[in-house]
Amino acid sequence: KAGVTQTPRYLIKTRGQQVTLSCSPISGHRSVSWYQQTPGQGLQFLFEYFSETQRNKGNFPGRFSGRQFSNSRSEMNVSTLELGDSALYLCASSPDPRTGAEYGYTFGSGTRLTVV
Amino acid sequence: TQLLEQSPQFLSIQEGENLTVYCNSSSVFSSLQWYRQEPGEGPVLLVTVVTGGEVKKLKRLTFQFGDARKDSSLHITAAQPGDTGLYLCAGPLLNSGGYQKVTFGTGTKLQVIP
Repeated sequence: KAGVTQTPRYLIKTRGQQVTLSCSPISGHRSVSWYQQTPGQGLQFLFEYFSETQRNKGNFPGRFSGRQFSNSRSEMNVSTLELGDSALYLCASSPDPRTGAEYGYTFGSGTRLTVV
Repeated sequence: TQLLEQSPQFLSIQEGENLTVYCNSSSVFSSLQWYRQEPGEGPVLLVTVVTGGEVKKLKRLTFQFGDARKDSSLHITAAQPGDTGLYLCAGPLLNSGGYQKVTFGTGTKLQVIP
């Protein structure tokens, strides 16, 4: 079956702009988590969605937001981009939150965002 | 504060050598996962350990979960260039809202030189 699909793969934006990233989980998976990965901070949890509801949120400013649709696809949005938002944004898919947390996730290839 | 500390941070070895990567915490985890990530890609799940003292083998990779479920190790025998990548451990912790939140380790960057 198809894996986790993230689009776009690469993105270059200017400071102050906003960006929307998309994630399509594995078919049948209803839980989607988002992570930010930078060389200095490693993998940092952004938020988790299950059945269109945000269940968990990391310690990121309100400029970072997300949503999940009825088909389990998820989007995350970053407004008023800052240079420090440059990172690899990863989407992780699992059948449900507990299975993902206890037994692991399937990750997408990520979206590489560069803010200039 | 990093809840999962990995060591070493970087490792560069010759093909054929053995190595061990450690993942340590002061917290108890109900399970721990190990991932490998190649440059420009997302992490790929290698194994999940769930029982204290458990040992799992995946070809040349041996994973161990500590008896107290606070630490884990990954041992690679006869490393090959294909083992090159970033190794991450991860595990779930309950947050204040009662939800499990997965925390990732600091990572070990492994380079195997042919």
